[in-house]
Amino acid sequence: KAGVTQTPRYLIKTRGQQVTLSCSPISGHRSVSWYQQTPGQGLQFLFEYFSETQRNKGNFPGRFSGRQFSNSRSEMNVSTLELGDSALYLCASSFGQGSRFFYGYTFGSGTRLTVV
Amino acid sequence: KNEVEQSPQNLTAQEGEFITINCSYSVGISALHWLQQHPGGGIVSLFMLSSGKKKHGRLIATINIQEKHSSLHITASHPRDSAVYICAVSNFGNEKLTFGTGTRLTIIP
Repeated sequence: KAGVTQTPRYLIKTRGQQVTLSCSPISGHRSVSWYQQTPGQGLQFLFEYFSETQRNKGNFPGRFSGRQFSNSRSEMNVSTLELGDSALYLCASSFGQGSRFFYGYTFGSGTRLTVV
Repeated sequence: KNEVEQSPQNLTAQEGEFITINCSYSVGISALHWLQQHPGGGIVSLFMLSSGKKKHGRLIATINIQEKHSSLHITASHPRDSAVYICAVSNFGNEKLTFGTGTRLTIIP
């Protein structure tokens, strides 16, 4: 079965621009979580969506936002890009902990964002 | 102090050696996850544990809930096991994963 698909794989943007990243979860998964990975801070939770609702949010500024569509595909948006936003952005999908089908998380390959 | 601590940070071993990576956490959890990340960046979920022990091929993961400690063991290590191994914890009703800093494992042929 298809895995978690993230697009694009690589992206170069200029400071001040905005960017939208996409994540298509495994079929049937309704929870999509987003993470930022940087050499300095490691992996940090951004937010999680379940059935089009944001259920949890990490400690990131309002420039970071996301949404989830009815087919469970999710997008995250970063506005007014800063150099420090350069990172690997990963998404993970699951059935959700409350589901009897929950077996953990499946991660995408990530989008590597470089801000210049 | 981080909620999830891993040791060692770096580990280099010869092919065939038995490998142990440790993870300690300081918060209540519903499950502990062991993840593997190769240089390309993608993360593979190896185990999800809430108690006891799990085995998959040459990989074994154990957890001691009372001591808030988990170990990942690799038997008969191979160069293809070279990767970063990351411990993460999750809580009931909260899909947020909290990660350790990772252990960079290098297996020399």
